[in-house]
Amino acid sequence: RKEVEQDPGPFNVPEGATVAFNCTYSNSASQSFFWYRQDCRKEPKLLMSVYSSGNEDGRFTAQLNRASQYISLLIRDSKLSDSATYLCAGSSNTGKLIFGQGTTLQVKP
Amino acid sequence: GAVVSQHPSWVICKSGTSVKIECRSLDFQATTMFWYRQFPKQSLMLMATSNEGSKATYEQGVEKDKFLINHASLTLSTLTVTSAHPEDSSFYICSASDGGTYYEQYFGPGTRLTVT
Repeated sequence: RKEVEQDPGPFNVPEGATVAFNCTYSNSASQSFFWYRQDCRKEPKLLMSVYSSGNEDGRFTAQLNRASQYISLLIRDSKLSDSATYLCAGSSNTGKLIFGQGTTLQVKP
Repeated sequence: GAVVSQHPSWVICKSGTSVKIECRSLDFQATTMFWYRQFPKQSLMLMATSNEGSKATYEQGVEKDKFLINHASLTLSTLTVTSAHPEDSSFYICSASDGGTYYEQYFGPGTRLTVT
Protein backbone atom coordinates (compact mmCIF):
# COMPACT_ATOMS: atom_id res chain seq x y z
CA ARG A 1 0.00 0.00 0.00
CA LYS A 2 1.34 3.44 -0.91
CA GLU A 3 2.05 5.77 1.98
CA VAL A 4 -0.03 8.57 0.43
CA GLU A 5 -2.81 7.73 -1.99
CA GLN A 6 -4.96 9.85 -4.22
CA ASP A 7 -7.56 9.16 -6.86
CA PRO A 8 -5.75 10.14 -10.07
CA GLY A 9 -8.99 11.20 -11.77
CA PRO A 10 -9.32 12.99 -14.08
CA PHE A 11 -12.09 15.06 -12.57
CA ASN A 12 -13.95 16.91 -15.32
CA VAL A 13 -16.21 19.65 -13.94
CA PRO A 14 -17.98 22.69 -15.39
CA GLU A 15 -17.01 26.20 -14.45
CA GLY A 16 -18.59 27.27 -11.19
CA ALA A 17 -18.83 23.75 -9.80
CA THR A 18 -17.60 22.66 -6.39
CA VAL A 19 -15.16 19.79 -6.44
CA ALA A 20 -13.53 17.82 -3.64
CA PHE A 21 -10.44 15.63 -3.61
CA ASN A 22 -9.51 13.15 -0.93
CA CYS A 23 -6.10 11.88 0.02
CA THR A 24 -5.40 9.06 2.46
CA TYR A 25 -2.19 8.41 4.34
CA SER A 26 -0.92 5.34 6.12
CA ASN A 27 1.75 6.77 8.44
CA SER A 28 -0.01 7.91 11.59
CA ALA A 29 3.20 9.66 12.66
CA SER A 30 2.89 12.21 9.84
CA GLN A 31 2.91 15.68 11.33
CA SER A 32 1.92 18.10 8.61
CA PHE A 33 0.16 17.87 5.31
CA PHE A 34 0.21 19.98 2.21
CA TRP A 35 -1.68 20.46 -1.00
CA TYR A 36 0.45 21.45 -3.97
CA ARG A 37 -0.73 22.48 -7.41
CA GLN A 38 1.32 21.37 -10.40
CA ASP A 39 0.75 22.62 -13.93
CA CYS A 40 1.95 20.60 -16.90
CA ARG A 41 5.77 20.55 -17.13
CA LYS A 42 6.11 22.94 -14.19
CA GLU A 43 7.20 22.61 -10.58
CA PRO A 44 4.69 22.07 -7.73
CA LYS A 45 3.52 25.24 -6.04
CA LEU A 46 2.35 25.22 -2.45
CA LEU A 47 -1.39 25.76 -2.32
CA MET A 48 -2.27 25.09 1.30
CA SER A 49 -0.71 23.75 4.47
CA VAL A 50 -2.79 21.68 6.89
CA TYR A 51 -1.58 21.28 10.45
CA SER A 52 -4.63 21.02 12.63
CA SER A 53 -8.18 20.25 11.62
CA GLY A 54 -8.38 22.51 8.62
CA ASN A 55 -7.49 25.61 6.72
CA GLU A 56 -9.40 27.94 4.42
CA ASP A 57 -8.09 30.37 1.83
CA GLY A 58 -10.64 32.01 -0.41
CA ARG A 59 -12.29 29.37 -2.58
CA PHE A 60 -10.07 26.62 -1.19
CA THR A 61 -10.68 24.65 1.99
CA ALA A 62 -8.47 21.86 3.27
CA GLN A 63 -9.47 19.54 6.08
CA LEU A 64 -7.55 16.96 8.05
CA ASN A 65 -9.12 13.97 9.75
CA ARG A 66 -6.45 12.26 11.82
CA ALA A 67 -8.80 9.56 13.11
CA SER A 68 -9.57 8.39 9.59
CA GLN A 69 -6.19 9.43 8.22
CA TYR A 70 -7.32 11.50 5.29
CA ILE A 71 -6.97 15.02 4.02
CA SER A 72 -9.42 16.70 1.69
CA LEU A 73 -9.30 19.71 -0.60
CA LEU A 74 -12.50 21.51 -1.55
CA ILE A 75 -12.55 23.99 -4.41
CA ARG A 76 -15.62 26.19 -4.70
CA ASP A 77 -16.75 28.14 -7.77
CA SER A 78 -14.21 26.42 -10.04
CA LYS A 79 -12.40 28.55 -12.60
CA LEU A 80 -10.86 27.46 -15.88
CA SER A 81 -7.51 28.42 -14.39
CA ASP A 82 -7.95 25.82 -11.64
CA SER A 83 -7.23 23.09 -14.20
CA ALA A 84 -4.07 21.38 -12.98
CA THR A 85 -2.81 18.38 -11.05
CA TYR A 86 -3.23 18.60 -7.30
CA LEU A 87 -0.66 16.78 -5.20
CA CYS A 88 -1.20 15.78 -1.61
CA ALA A 89 1.89 15.38 0.58
CA GLY A 90 2.56 14.30 4.13
CA SER A 91 5.59 15.33 6.14
CA SER A 92 7.42 13.15 8.61
CA ASN A 93 9.34 14.46 11.59
CA THR A 94 12.51 14.31 9.49
CA GLY A 95 11.09 16.89 7.11
CA LYS A 96 10.73 14.51 4.18
CA LEU A 97 7.63 14.91 2.05
CA ILE A 98 5.87 11.87 0.68
CA PHE A 99 3.69 12.72 -2.30
CA GLY A 100 0.59 11.08 -3.62
CA GLN A 101 0.39 10.48 -7.35
CA GLY A 102 -1.75 13.55 -7.88
CA THR A 103 -5.33 14.19 -8.93
CA THR A 104 -5.97 15.81 -12.30
CA LEU A 105 -8.69 18.46 -12.50
CA GLN A 106 -10.08 19.74 -15.78
CA VAL A 107 -12.51 22.65 -15.53
CA LYS A 108 -14.54 23.13 -18.68
CA PRO A 109 -16.45 26.20 -19.86
CA GLY B 1 9.54 35.30 -0.24
CA ALA B 2 10.69 31.64 -0.37
CA VAL B 3 12.07 31.71 -3.92
CA VAL B 4 14.12 28.80 -5.20
CA SER B 5 15.94 28.87 -8.52
CA GLN B 6 17.37 26.06 -10.60
CA HIS B 7 19.86 26.14 -13.41
CA PRO B 8 19.77 25.09 -16.17
CA SER B 9 16.05 24.87 -16.90
CA TRP B 10 16.70 22.31 -19.60
CA VAL B 11 19.71 20.44 -20.91
CA ILE B 12 20.41 17.94 -23.67
CA CYS B 13 23.53 15.85 -23.36
CA LYS B 14 25.09 12.83 -24.96
CA SER B 15 25.15 9.44 -23.34
CA GLY B 16 28.18 9.01 -21.10
CA THR B 17 28.63 12.66 -20.21
CA SER B 18 27.97 14.30 -16.85
CA VAL B 19 25.52 17.07 -16.11
CA LYS B 20 25.47 19.41 -13.12
CA ILE B 21 22.26 21.04 -11.90
CA GLU B 22 22.30 23.92 -9.42
CA CYS B 23 19.62 24.73 -6.88
CA ARG B 24 19.64 28.04 -5.00
CA SER B 25 17.45 29.50 -2.30
CA LEU B 26 17.34 33.20 -3.15
CA ASP B 27 15.77 34.87 -0.14
CA PHE B 28 16.17 32.44 2.73
CA GLN B 29 18.71 30.06 4.19
CA ALA B 30 17.94 26.46 3.35
CA THR B 31 19.08 24.13 6.08
CA THR B 32 17.82 21.22 4.04
CA MET B 33 17.45 20.71 0.33
CA PHE B 34 15.74 17.85 -1.42
CA TRP B 35 16.16 16.42 -4.90
CA TYR B 36 13.27 14.81 -6.71
CA ARG B 37 12.80 13.15 -10.07
CA GLN B 38 9.53 13.05 -11.96
CA PHE B 39 8.80 10.88 -14.99
CA PRO B 40 5.88 11.75 -17.29
CA LYS B 41 2.45 11.25 -15.73
CA GLN B 42 4.02 10.12 -12.45
CA SER B 43 4.39 11.81 -9.11
CA LEU B 44 7.55 13.22 -7.62
CA MET B 45 9.97 10.64 -6.31
CA LEU B 46 12.41 11.77 -3.63
CA MET B 47 15.98 10.92 -4.58
CA ALA B 48 17.96 12.36 -1.69
CA THR B 49 17.97 14.77 1.22
CA SER B 50 20.93 17.04 1.78
CA ASN B 51 21.84 19.13 4.78
CA GLU B 52 24.39 21.90 4.55
CA GLY B 53 27.88 20.67 5.27
CA SER B 54 27.06 17.00 5.53
CA LYS B 55 26.68 14.03 3.21
CA ALA B 56 23.40 13.54 1.46
CA THR B 57 21.00 10.81 2.48
CA TYR B 58 19.83 8.81 -0.50
CA GLU B 59 16.54 7.01 -0.86
CA GLN B 60 16.51 3.30 -1.44
CA GLY B 61 17.35 2.41 -5.03
CA VAL B 62 19.10 5.69 -5.83
CA GLU B 63 22.78 5.23 -6.69
CA LYS B 64 24.85 7.71 -4.73
CA ASP B 65 27.85 7.31 -7.03
CA LYS B 66 25.74 8.16 -10.04
CA PHE B 67 23.85 11.10 -8.55
CA LEU B 68 26.41 13.21 -6.70
CA ILE B 69 24.96 15.80 -4.36
CA ASN B 70 26.85 18.66 -2.80
CA HIS B 71 25.35 21.14 -0.34
CA ALA B 72 28.25 23.46 0.30
CA SER B 73 26.34 26.45 1.63
CA LEU B 74 22.96 27.36 3.08
CA THR B 75 21.82 28.69 -0.29
CA LEU B 76 23.29 26.27 -2.82
CA SER B 77 23.02 22.57 -3.56
CA THR B 78 24.16 20.81 -6.72
CA LEU B 79 23.18 17.51 -8.29
CA THR B 80 25.58 15.94 -10.78
CA VAL B 81 24.30 13.13 -12.96
CA THR B 82 27.44 11.20 -13.85
CA SER B 83 27.79 9.07 -16.98
CA ALA B 84 24.23 9.87 -18.01
CA HIS B 85 22.20 7.38 -20.00
CA PRO B 86 18.91 7.80 -21.87
CA GLU B 87 16.99 6.23 -18.97
CA ASP B 88 18.18 9.16 -16.81
CA SER B 89 16.13 11.52 -18.97
CA SER B 90 13.61 13.06 -16.59
CA PHE B 91 12.41 16.21 -14.85
CA TYR B 92 14.68 16.92 -11.88
CA ILE B 93 13.27 19.26 -9.24
CA CYS B 94 14.89 20.55 -6.09
CA SER B 95 13.17 21.95 -3.06
CA ALA B 96 14.43 23.84 -0.05
CA SER B 97 13.30 24.10 3.53
CA ASP B 98 14.34 26.56 6.21
CA GLY B 99 13.54 23.98 8.85
CA GLY B 100 10.43 25.80 10.01
CA THR B 101 8.05 24.15 12.43
CA TYR B 102 5.92 22.54 9.76
CA TYR B 103 8.66 21.56 7.29
CA GLU B 104 7.25 23.45 4.36
CA GLN B 105 9.25 22.94 1.18
CA TYR B 106 9.56 25.40 -1.67
CA PHE B 107 10.32 24.06 -5.10
CA GLY B 108 12.62 25.23 -7.83
CA PRO B 109 11.30 25.43 -11.40
CA GLY B 110 12.91 22.12 -12.34
CA THR B 111 15.45 20.98 -14.90
CA ARG B 112 14.40 18.90 -17.87
CA LEU B 113 17.24 16.53 -18.77
CA THR B 114 17.32 14.70 -22.09
CA VAL B 115 20.10 12.22 -22.71
CA THR B 116 20.59 11.20 -26.33
